[in-house]
Amino acid sequence: EIVLTQSPGTLSLSPGERATLSCRASQSVTSSYLAWYQHRSGQPPRLLVYGASIRATGIPDRFSGSGSETDFTLTISRLEPEDFVVYYCQQYASSPYTFGQGTKLEIK
Amino acid sequence: EVQLVESGGGVVQPGRSLRLSCAGSGFTFDNYDIYWVRLAPGKGPEWVSQISWDGYKTFYADSVKGRFTISRDNNKKTVHLQMNRLRSEDSALYFCAKDNHVPYLLHWGQGTQVIVSS
Repeated sequence: EIVLTQSPGTLSLSPGERATLSCRASQSVTSSYLAWYQHRSGQPPRLLVYGASIRATGIPDRFSGSGSETDFTLTISRLEPEDFVVYYCQQYASSPYTFGQGTKLEIK
Repeated sequence: EVQLVESGGGVVQPGRSLRLSCAGSGFTFDNYDIYWVRLAPGKGPEWVSQISWDGYKTFYADSVKGRFTISRDNNKKTVHLQMNRLRSEDSALYFCAKDNHVPYLLHWGQGTQVIVSS
């Protein structure tokens, strides 16, 4: 099973700042089969990025994904107030398709 | 518009059973694998189970193997998750989701809450 470790657990920033979220895999994620989701409490997770760097339809271009093999990053270039929620990474290269434990973005 | 609607959650005692359902609409239901993912407070999402488009392949997380059974009825555009011998650690918000022919989860339902408590 591929274990995904997200860091930091909580990230305190201000609107307008840049956020960098990390997702590290315990083994290589083949074909960059890595996705990022945004989760607002009371709603289902929302797909942001798949294939490590491909933005899903309708996702603002301030969200960008990068990385390969075991190290992946989600960058939010200029934080908007609605971005202060929880983010999860998921690998879908190898069953079971595991998720990270999440990074919570909070307003500083 | 793609819609997935879960039902069947509730409060149940440890050791008892529940059957969750997921009804799909707005897409060609029998073309897609369907997934169950659960989210417990303070934890990351957990992929619970998956069923192939034709129902012939099923997958389970180790934590539920032997207790949960996934099935589908493509005529009724519905997937079921039969959950037996429930434990307190099964308490979570259960979502059904569909992929895009590659197993990242593009569409999700709103979830159904399962609470296992005496």
